[in-house]
Parts: sequence; structure tokens; C-alpha cells
Amino acid sequence: EDQVTQSPEALRLQEGESSSLNCSYTVSGLRGLFWYRQDPGKGPEFLFTLYSAGEEKEKERLKATLTKKESFLHITAPKPEDSATYLCAVQEDFGNEKLTFGTGTRLTIIP
Amino acid sequence: GAVVSQHPSWVICKSGTSVKIECRSLDFQATTMFWYRQFPKQSLMLMATSNEGSKATYEQGVEKDKFLINHASLTLSTLTVTSAHPEDSSFYICSASRSAGGVSPDTQYFGPGTRLTVL
Repeated sequence: EDQVTQSPEALRLQEGESSSLNCSYTVSGLRGLFWYRQDPGKGPEFLFTLYSAGEEKEKERLKATLTKKESFLHITAPKPEDSATYLCAVQEDFGNEKLTFGTGTRLTIIP
Repeated sequence: GAVVSQHPSWVICKSGTSVKIECRSLDFQATTMFWYRQFPKQSLMLMATSNEGSKATYEQGVEKDKFLINHASLTLSTLTVTSAHPEDSSFYICSASRSAGGVSPDTQYFGPGTRLTVL
């Protein structure tokens, strides 16, 4: 059974204080790992797809990396508007498009 | 592109009534759509996978007779909660799968969600 574990559960940072969020996963074969951002009361917003170890993707202050066992979402010099819950999800490689989500990291950036 | 809408955004109903939620992909065609529910401070739990023109596939523990799913076109899927009860109160979110092309996995784009409250 696929397992996705995110840490920490919650993270409070000062504005400009860089940090990383972790997503550890266990799957038989990885088709893709996805990062989403979710604001309270809204649906998840797509950020990145990673599907091979060593791959990196960047968008503004966010950078996602992937190894064979985990993914990191690095946030550089965050701003208050980066406050949200960040969700990681994996898709297994056997033709099923189903996503298995982690429980998320609730990020708060303090001005 | 890749916009998914849901309607209504929130609904309050009496116990025993049925509620229909619509999910539309506005600028792409989606062969596959998904329905999730999310309880406060918890992650998304997949309820069912909906393929255009065929019966939905439900996850273990989800009552197919209670949560009716219809995927009549490549841009529209509906979820009907039949004979709703207070324990069905939740945040329901749909997603639509869009091809990324080549060997990249398809990406799910999510709607804004529907808050259901059953009194």
C-alpha cells in the first residue's frame, strides 16, 4: 500500500527565513510525485510534478527536488502570502491515475 | 489554462434530502475526473474515480448507492449525495485529469470545493 508522510506537520517562519518541507513516500513504482498548495476553504492548487530521481523544478520562491525515497519543497525568503498548507501526493506506476496524499504541512509566515 | 469549477460552492440542506454537486473542466477535456472529501485539518480522501461514459470506480468503504456519480461528458461530472445525513457534512472537492504529454504523468487540477452542511 502506498504511503506518504509529510513533515513537519506545522511550521512557523519569520518572513525571509528559508526552510524546507519533507515528503517521504513508499510505492512499488513511482509514476509521479505532485506538490500542491491549499489555502483554507479552497481546493488544492497545482505547483509541481516530479517523476524521476534527481529532478528539480522551481517556481518563484519554491523549489522542489526528488530522490528515490523523498521529496523536498524548499522555500527561499518566504513572504506572508506563502502561508498555506502544502500537500504532497504520489501516483503509482501501473496505469491508475489515483493520487495518494500526505497529511500536509501547514506553513505560516510571520511578517 | 487548466481551470476546474464546482457548483455550488456551499450548500445547506435538511437531513434526508439529496444534493447534487457539479464539477466542470472549463478549458480542457477530461477523460477522468475524481471526487474527494476533506474533513477539517485532514488531507484529501479519494471517494471515487469517474471516467466519461462508464461507471465510476469507488474506493473501499464508500457507498456507491449513497454517492451517485455521473460523468456524462468530457467536461462535466456530477456527485449526488442521496438521503444526506449530518455525518455527510464535509468539504467535497473534484479534480479533472489533464494530459501532460509524452512520458509525463497526467496532472490533476482541482476545483474550489463545495462545503456541504446537513442539518
